[in-house]
Amino acid sequence: SQKIEQNSEALNIQEGKTATLTCNYTNYSPAYLQWYRQDPGRGPVFLLLIRENEKEKRKERLKVTFDTTLKQSLFHITASQPADSATYLCALNNFNKFYFGSGTKLNVKP
Amino acid sequence: DTEVTQTPKHLVMGMTNKKSLKCEQHMGHRAMYWYKQKAKKPPELMFVYSYEKLSINESVPSRFSPECPNSSLLNLHLHALQPEDSALYLCASSFPTPRGRSSYNEQFFGPGTRLTVL
Repeated sequence: SQKIEQNSEALNIQEGKTATLTCNYTNYSPAYLQWYRQDPGRGPVFLLLIRENEKEKRKERLKVTFDTTLKQSLFHITASQPADSATYLCALNNFNKFYFGSGTKLNVKP
Repeated sequence: DTEVTQTPKHLVMGMTNKKSLKCEQHMGHRAMYWYKQKAKKPPELMFVYSYEKLSINESVPSRFSPECPNSSLLNLHLHALQPEDSALYLCASSFPTPRGRSSYNEQFFGPGTRLTVL
């Protein structure tokens, strides 16, 4: 069955450092992979999408990589800020079904 | 308008009650979704409507009954729920996926309804 795993339950980093979050998947070959941010008690918010033929995608301080051989995506936040503290979810979709990863809670300390 | 609205924000109901959750979007999206999210867990897909027709039901118990009266509205009717059904219920919308192709379409989520079943 489809499985999407994200690294550790929580990631604690110091303000200004780069946060790197991992998303690994099995039993699926997505053409696209998406990253969402979720704050407590709120719905997820779309951040970035990367296609299978794209190695890297950037948006402001965010960078996503996608390695279809390793079946892995890395999500980087550079110059992290306390306001970046949230849970980050990766998602794969097939037809109209979305499969979310377990999420990584990022804590950026001042 | 890039917003998905959900009402109510909070709902407390007994196991014998009947209630409904409502979701609305005006982005022209023709795919709408219901998700259930328990604390510290990812959203779990419940139902998908595509062009106002139910296209996916993830083996959800019949005490949850979805309805899509038009392209902008999505309802979730609740009846005889159990305490373990307490969760955050999220509605989302997107452009639908052509069959046979992975969708690149982002989902827009509403703020959710926090449901407590006593």
